[in-house]
Amino acid sequence: DIQLTQSPSFLSASVGDRVTITCRASQGISTYLAWYQQKPGKAPKVLIYAASTLQSGVPSRFSGSGSGTEFTLTISSLQPEDFATYYCQQLNSYLMWTFGQGTKVEIK
Amino acid sequence: EVQLLESGGGLVQPGGSLRLSCAASGFTFGNDAMTWVRQVPGKGLEWVSGISNTGGTSYYADSVKGRFTISRDNSKNTLYLQMSSLRVEDTAVYYCAAAGIAAKLDYWGQGTLVTVSS
Repeated sequence: DIQLTQSPSFLSASVGDRVTITCRASQGISTYLAWYQQKPGKAPKVLIYAASTLQSGVPSRFSGSGSGTEFTLTISSLQPEDFATYYCQQLNSYLMWTFGQGTKVEIK
Repeated sequence: EVQLLESGGGLVQPGGSLRLSCAASGFTFGNDAMTWVRQVPGKGLEWVSGISNTGGTSYYADSVKGRFTISRDNSKNTLYLQMSSLRVEDTAVYYCAAAGIAAKLDYWGQGTLVTVSS
């Protein structure tokens, strides 16, 4: 099974900061990776898919990169509404779409 | 408007059974693979099970294999999760989600809480 490891698990940042979250896969998954944002009490929302493709309607301050085993999600200028938990998900194994453990972004 | 509406959650004793349903509307249900994802309150997302658009292929997380069964009825636009031999550690909010282009999970339900406790 493919395991995903996110880092950091928690980060504290200020409005306007550039934030980067890393996701490492236990084996190569090409670009079959998505990123989700989840706010308390809500279902996750897809931000990025195919490692770097921005989901329709998602602000351009979000970007994704990487391939193989290492991926990053970057928020270029953190906004108040971006404080949330972020998850990566591998889409390489058909129907077995495991998640990373999550990264909680909190206000400094 | 796309909607996924889960139902069937509740309180059940260890060793008991429960069947979750996910009623879909607003998109062509029979075209999309579907999945169940769960989340212990305050913890991360855990993929539970996935099923192909026709229902012919399904997979399970090791933690539920042999105890949970995913199925779908495309004529009723409904996804199911039959859960048996439930354990305390199965307590979680269960979400259903639809996989669109590139298998990303475009649509999610609001979640249904399953509590396994004596």
